[in-house]
Amino acid sequence: NAGVTQTPKFQVLKTGQSMTLQCAQDMNHEYMSWYRQDPGMGLRLIHYSVGAGITDQGEVPNGYNVSRSTTEDFPLRLLSAAPSQTSVYFCASRPTRVNEKLLFGSGTQLSVL
Amino acid sequence: SQQGEEDPQALSIQEGENATMNCSYKTSINNLQWYRQNSGRGLVHLILIRSNEREKHSGRLRVTLDTSKKSSSLLITASRAADTASYFCATAPDSSYKLIFGSGTRLLVRP
Repeated sequence: NAGVTQTPKFQVLKTGQSMTLQCAQDMNHEYMSWYRQDPGMGLRLIHYSVGAGITDQGEVPNGYNVSRSTTEDFPLRLLSAAPSQTSVYFCASRPTRVNEKLLFGSGTQLSVL
Repeated sequence: SQQGEEDPQALSIQEGENATMNCSYKTSINNLQWYRQNSGRGLVHLILIRSNEREKHSGRLRVTLDTSKKSSSLLITASRAADTASYFCATAPDSSYKLIFGSGTRLLVRP
């Protein structure tokens, strides 16, 4: 039982490049979500999913795409990276749609030059 | 703007003292949760208090919730150097799957 696994841990991109941040959980959790954390700030919700095939926008969805083709995986795509997307990205999941405690991954530190 | 706002933004205390952090929010909620983040790491859930509860305890943690004032407080008693971390409140708005985080309080416990 590995919990919530995020890859890569670090990534440097050039402006305009695209990439996918990976998030996987092996706990059969129904709900998965992506947050970003900027220096000295709290977490802001980007997108979330309440099950395979179901996704919705959070507080700051612009510039990011998500899909949920399986229960286990919830990738976050940056189609054309911008310096404003430099941040630490966290994936989090919970067993059901019921708004209970989240289990977090260890994060991906992304720099866009 | 974020749902939860915490104060103080930073807190420095001596080991053994109590630490109190406050969180205010804007909309009606189903529950409120507190998380801890050690430097550069993912968040860890500490405690959840439901909207119909006023106080909850877990070890050295005590959480209160006042829905009329839309505020919560987290008290850490007999603090230890290992409690040094950032602490975040997160609110679960009514009829929403989202969990919205506040800006956090950075706690430094001096040995």
